[in-house]
Amino acid sequence: QKEVEQNSGPLSVPEGAIASLNCTYSDRGSQSFFWYRQYSGKSPELIMFIYSNGDKEDGRFTAQLNKASQYVSLLIRDSQPSDSATYLCAAILTGGGNKLTFGTGTQLKVEL
Amino acid sequence: DAMVIQNPRYQVTQFGKPVTLSCSQTLNHNVMYWYQQKSSQAPKLLFHYYDKDFNNEADTPDNFQSRRPNTSFCFLDIRSPGLGDAAMYLCATSRGSGGSVGNEQFFGPGTRLTVL
Repeated sequence: QKEVEQNSGPLSVPEGAIASLNCTYSDRGSQSFFWYRQYSGKSPELIMFIYSNGDKEDGRFTAQLNKASQYVSLLIRDSQPSDSATYLCAAILTGGGNKLTFGTGTQLKVEL
Repeated sequence: DAMVIQNPRYQVTQFGKPVTLSCSQTLNHNVMYWYQQKSSQAPKLLFHYYDKDFNNEADTPDNFQSRRPNTSFCFLDIRSPGLGDAAMYLCATSRGSGGSVGNEQFFGPGTRLTVL
């Protein structure tokens, strides 16, 4: 079992819709979770981080963390074509210091 | 603007010819990281420095070395690049260590290495 798992996609949503990206993790002790956006050929860009159970909202983005079920999700409201990218979920595992363990990413396509 | 800078953005080298990649930061962050990312794969941590303390990942090949001469700069040396080392090399920084607010990692633009 991979430590951080994501569906590779592609996930296709129409413009203006809500995109829902999901991530599960195997280490129950993990406390810190991150969503990075990566455009093709570019470096990852941090868009959300979440450390507590529940929801965290920032503009069109909402991160959701459920530690009991060991999943993290990212919702993108009013999806735009410019949101088309690969979204990487990352976690700091128990005893990992500050080491990020990444999932392989979900490719999102927002269609006109 | 405070930022993480990587040079060069594209590097072409020959099989077995040593190459050095550079990272600098104006964020005054304590921690600097080097990741390797191959096509359609997740970034893989090679090593990191907390100030001058070097932390190597157990599965990082000996072919990869790093230097951090001061807070602002960190270098990745690949002593004898092989074809399998062609990848995007990402530098990241964080203020501190441990998953807590303020210690998030920020990436530079990356250096794409081609090995001929």
